[in-house]
Amino acid sequence: DAKTTQPPSMDCAEGRAANLPCNHSTISGNEYVYWYRQIHSQGPQYIIHGLKNNETNEMASLIITEDRKSSTLILPHATLRDTAVYYCIVRVATNAGKSTFGDGTTLTVKP
Amino acid sequence: DVKVTQSSRYLVKRTGEKVFLECVQDMDHENMFWYRQDPGLGLRLIYFSYDVKMKEKGDIPEGYSVSREKKERFSLILESASTNQTSMYLCASSRTGFANTGELFFGEGSRLTVL
Repeated sequence: DAKTTQPPSMDCAEGRAANLPCNHSTISGNEYVYWYRQIHSQGPQYIIHGLKNNETNEMASLIITEDRKSSTLILPHATLRDTAVYYCIVRVATNAGKSTFGDGTTLTVKP
Repeated sequence: DVKVTQSSRYLVKRTGEKVFLECVQDMDHENMFWYRQDPGLGLRLIYFSYDVKMKEKGDIPEGYSVSREKKERFSLILESASTNQTSMYLCASSRTGFANTGELFFGEGSRLTVL
């Protein structure tokens, strides 16, 4: 799996967009970018993933740069319940179990 | 809603006891995984299974075994619990084949304390 780099922590005001960056400069052509989050004392929850194109679902948007060396997860209107650790993971789709969850970014949404 | 259910959220066991952690998924997934999560170490893969009765070692299998007798159930066994196995244990599942998009679905976790 390609190595990823995320800031250790970020703050966001409630109602504003939260933009969480991830660097993955060694990503290979067949590797996807996945985002998960983990609310305190719960298991990680899948958010979104993408290969080349930007993706959007009911939870978030994923913006991947053209060279695929970095990406940004966007929570468009952050709520207090979005306070969690967010993990960016890069790997091939068939290798789900080998996902490397590092320290992620601790996002704190403030009122 | 799709679900991965772990049998116990919190367990306290004594050193030397045999411990069973059960995980059941209702999504008909082929793949199931057991991880442990410790502060500063992230999630580490203990064992995984790609099919019934099949198992493969992950990164830290020592001191653990697993059982997968039915597709929906994957059990983690600590034959003789030790204090360094105090941790949060997470079960996950995923699809395989054409429908596989690589998402992992996690349970709520089981926090085990070994005294």
